[in-house]
Amino acid sequence: QSVLTQPPSASGTPGQRVTISCSGSSSNIGSNTVSWYQQLPGTAPKLLIYSNNQRPSGVPDRFSGSKSGTSASLAISGLQSEEEADYYCAAWDDSLTGWVFGGGTKLTVL
Amino acid sequence: EVQLLESGGGLVQPGGSLRLSCAASGFTFSSYAMSWVRQVPGKGLEWVSVMSGGGGSTYYADSVKGRFTISRDKSKSTLYLQMNSLRAEDTAVYYCAKVGLGRAAHAFDYWGQGTLVTVSS
Repeated sequence: QSVLTQPPSASGTPGQRVTISCSGSSSNIGSNTVSWYQQLPGTAPKLLIYSNNQRPSGVPDRFSGSKSGTSASLAISGLQSEEEADYYCAAWDDSLTGWVFGGGTKLTVL
Repeated sequence: EVQLLESGGGLVQPGGSLRLSCAASGFTFSSYAMSWVRQVPGKGLEWVSVMSGGGGSTYYADSVKGRFTISRDKSKSTLYLQMNSLRAEDTAVYYCAKVGLGRAAHAFDYWGQGTLVTVSS
């Protein structure tokens, strides 16, 4: 049981916009920033979004993040087949004094 | 170019010990907190431990507290994870991850390729 809650799966067709939600509590998302990671099959995770809505250099602007209260979301517009992967949210938890992750969302491009 | 290269994984019996290493390059190692994150094959990510850039602060997940110890060697730009009293549930791929600075201070901006630890008799 993960501290942050994500839907286990999401899907979309090429070119579509999809969103993935991440729900937490006041001790994690409610008081700290959220980051998002993309994990392609057989590879290490890669940072997609930090500080709720900031993209590292090299991440396309089709990826965007937002946060409101104790929830966050990742949006991918203009979906591409190569973006079929697992996506994770994460945040520091003040009560646990450590990072917590969502259980991951498997994105399927139909 | 930032590179993180883990090593030290392998097969170990329950109750045994293992030390993982993460050789870092491409950045000023002592300026950044470093962390370990693990992933049971086919499952999600689980944060394990973090050490501050200077080494003065360490935090652990409850699941490993008292059994695992994180450390770093500035002269070798290497992060370590000493794992004792290993259990079957510690079986996972262990990733070394660099923690960002400033607005990215709560994010893992670079990850290693991972090293597999299997705890089994």
